[in-house]
Amino acid sequence: DAKTTQPPSMDCAEGRAANLPCNHSTISGNEYVYWYRQIHSQGPQYIIHGLKNNETNEMASLIITEDRKSSTLILPHATLRDTAVYYCIVRPGMDSSYKLIFGSGTRLLVRP
Amino acid sequence: DADVTQTPRNRITKTGKRIMLECSQTKGHDRMYWYRQDPGLGLRLIYYSFDVKDINKGEISDGYSVSRQAQAKFSLSLESAIPNQTALYFCATSDLRLTSGSNEQFFGPGTRLTVL
Repeated sequence: DAKTTQPPSMDCAEGRAANLPCNHSTISGNEYVYWYRQIHSQGPQYIIHGLKNNETNEMASLIITEDRKSSTLILPHATLRDTAVYYCIVRPGMDSSYKLIFGSGTRLLVRP
Repeated sequence: DADVTQTPRNRITKTGKRIMLECSQTKGHDRMYWYRQDPGLGLRLIYYSFDVKDINKGEISDGYSVSRQAQAKFSLSLESAIPNQTALYFCATSDLRLTSGSNEQFFGPGTRLTVL
């Protein structure tokens, strides 16, 4: 599985955009980028995923660089409830094992 | 939303005791997973099951066993609990959608286990 690198912590002001980076320089052609978050001791929650095109849903946007070696998760208008640990995960989309390998993630603090 | 439930939510036990953690889901998913999380760390996969007849070891299966009693139920057992198994345990489910490559996993609320 490709490894990911994320900053251990970040903060942003409430109402501002939160931009969370992730490096995955060894990503393979069939590997997707997934983002999950975990709000204090709760079960992780799926946010978004993508292969090579930028993606947007009701929670966030995912920007993947053209060479696919890095990506950025964007929370457009962060709220206090977005304070959580955010995990960037890379895994094969067609892998029959369908395992998610969690790293240490980025702890995002949204300030009032 | 109680699509994935775990029981018990909290458990304190003693070294050497047998413990079973249970997971039930109403999502109709075939795939189920057990993870553990230690303080300050990400989740690590213990066991996973793709259907009732399929059980697979994850990264850290030593000291654990599982049972897939039905599509909706997946239990994790600690035959003889030890203190370093003190952790937060999560169950998750997912469905296979090959066309999109999606593998959203839906997690339960977790079981906090303390082994004294």
